[in-house]
Amino acid sequence: NAGVTQTPKFQVLKTGQSMTLQCAQDMNHNSMYWYRQDPGMGLRLIYYSASEGTTDKGEVPNGYNVSRLNKREFSLRLESAAPSQTSVYFCASSQTGLLNWREGIEQYFGPGTRLTVT
Amino acid sequence: EDKVVQSPLSLVVHEGDTVTLNCSYEVTNFRSLLWYKQEKKAPTFLFMLTSSGIEKKSGRLSSILDKKELSSILNITATQTGDSAIYLCAVEAHKYGNKLVFGAGTILRVKS
Repeated sequence: NAGVTQTPKFQVLKTGQSMTLQCAQDMNHNSMYWYRQDPGMGLRLIYYSASEGTTDKGEVPNGYNVSRLNKREFSLRLESAAPSQTSVYFCASSQTGLLNWREGIEQYFGPGTRLTVT
Repeated sequence: EDKVVQSPLSLVVHEGDTVTLNCSYEVTNFRSLLWYKQEKKAPTFLFMLTSSGIEKKSGRLSSILDKKELSSILNITATQTGDSAIYLCAVEAHKYGNKLVFGAGTILRVKS
């Protein structure tokens, strides 16, 4: 049981390049999330997926797209990277269901991807 | 605008000291408050608080929620160097359904 896994661990991009961050969870969770973490700003929600087949914008979605490929996988794409997207990116998942929202709000986090855009 | 503010931003103590970390929030339709510990990599869950005045405890860590004051504290007694981490407070807020809004975190360093 690996929990939440992310690839790659580190990435350096040039301005304008594109890339996809991969995330997978093996806990059969319904909900998945992408956050970015910057110094002094805590974790900010980029996009989330409440269930397979749905995605919604979070607090800072500009410059990103996501795909919920299946229940296990949720990817984050940067189409044209900018230096402002230099950050540490975390994927998370939770069991939160549509009817029983009180259960399973606890989110489990992946190890993070450190992205630098030059 | 939903907001979670943590204080202090950073703290250095000696082993054996007791520390209190603070979290205050302004959110629409509060549902729960969560504490996470982040060491080198991913945040790990500590507590979830939904009711005012009920202390949650795990070993040397404890936490309590005050809905009247819109705040929570996380106490760590007899600190150890292994407690050095960023402590994150998050609130389940209405703006994004039942998603979490995080504070900036408190960086705790415990010196031996």
